[in-house]
Amino acid sequence: ELKVEQNPLFLSMQEGKNYTIYCNYSTTSDRLYWYRQDPGKSLESLFVLLSNGAVKQEGRLMASLDTKARLSTLHITAAVHDLSATYFCAVDMIEGYQKVTFGTGTKLQVIP
Amino acid sequence: NAGVTQTPKFRILKIGQSMTLQCTQDMNHNYMYWYRQDPGMGLKLIYYSVGAGITDKGEVPNGYNVSRSTTEDFPLRLELAAPSQTSVYFCASSYGEGDTEAFFGQGTRLTVV
Repeated sequence: ELKVEQNPLFLSMQEGKNYTIYCNYSTTSDRLYWYRQDPGKSLESLFVLLSNGAVKQEGRLMASLDTKARLSTLHITAAVHDLSATYFCAVDMIEGYQKVTFGTGTKLQVIP
Repeated sequence: NAGVTQTPKFRILKIGQSMTLQCTQDMNHNYMYWYRQDPGMGLKLIYYSVGAGITDKGEVPNGYNVSRSTTEDFPLRLELAAPSQTSVYFCASSYGEGDTEAFFGQGTRLTVV
């Protein structure tokens, strides 16, 4: 059974600071996704990482994937209040069909 | 662009009642999914479909049924609702081949009392 663990589960940080969210998973996979969810809202896709060493950046967020370590990171640079949300990583367990397992999420609160 | 549309947005059910959550997508995606999200938790896969006429169980299928008669629609049926089914339900779709992320509906908040 694929397990996906995120840490921290909750993160409170000041504006302007940098921080990293970690996503570990338990089995071989080379497809990893990051999503954002605002309170009471649906999920929005942020990044799709498809190979070892993949790095993608959008604004103040940068995601990377190390398939050998079974680890993805989401790095936040100079956080702003608008980044406050819950961030989920999700891993695709490739068994013929695409079946994605989500982590429990990291709730990020950016304090002005 | 409509994307993935779920109805209803909110529903209160009594124990033992049944209902169908509707989901439709207009992106011609092959894959469709139903997830549930309990408070403070990630999403758990209930059922998924890789095309019309093909469905399969996910991680938590008990108490639910699905059908996929068309590419666009993927309804989720709850039979004999139980308090443990109180959750937020998300429908999602993806192209399904290789590197595609999922697109999510707005969710249905269901309370069973």
